[in-house]
Amino acid sequence: QSALTQTASVSGSPGQSITISCTGTSSDVGDYNYVSWYQQHPGKAPQLIIYDVSNRPSGVSDRFSGSKSGNTASLTVSGLQPEDEADYYCSAVISTTTLVFGGGTKLTVL
Amino acid sequence: QVQLVQSGAEVKKPGASVTVSCKASGYTFSSHFIHWVRQAPGQGLEWMGVINPSGGSTRYTHRFQGRITMTRDTSTSTVYMELSSLRSDDTAVYFCARDICSNGLCYMFDSWGQGALVTVSS
Repeated sequence: QSALTQTASVSGSPGQSITISCTGTSSDVGDYNYVSWYQQHPGKAPQLIIYDVSNRPSGVSDRFSGSKSGNTASLTVSGLQPEDEADYYCSAVISTTTLVFGGGTKLTVL
Repeated sequence: QVQLVQSGAEVKKPGASVTVSCKASGYTFSSHFIHWVRQAPGQGLEWMGVINPSGGSTRYTHRFQGRITMTRDTSTSTVYMELSSLRSDDTAVYFCARDICSNGLCYMFDSWGQGALVTVSS
């Protein structure tokens, strides 16, 4: 299975908003609502920030929001803060039997 | 609180096997599937497979079929991932991760181990 397509890098200034897209197919992103997003700081394990397309786990800032349209899922980070600088990965289920990740997006806070 | 604690770094020669462990605590071990995800240096995340700690059933991604084995020990709440016939491109950090769903498989991970670096080098 091919990885989901994410923009390699995105940047923004503190206080601004950015959106990261994750494009798949009708067999993964477009098929189920089991789309999730992870934040990973260098040398650390990933952390779940969005699940089921748009739900936030307890403790995750409401500055993170997720959505989906067709075969593309999106993660929006509003009110950028320096600690948001990290790599972000989307993931989606294929046919309820396997999982595919996006290639990752590096977010730089200028 | 939920914790997944993995075994330490390993250095292996090509052709050898490696086993990484993942000890769970802070929740009912049998109620959440455990997944394995790896990350090669400077690369993205790759899902490898999943084990049901309750019955021990497994599902592996095609890429690792025949080389990967996941097992569990319910007496110690520990899951194991063995990868055999190691190659240099298996050099990666290997993570275990807990499925967010209780008694179900949702492929979303709400808790992760700290990762274990496996280096394959002659």
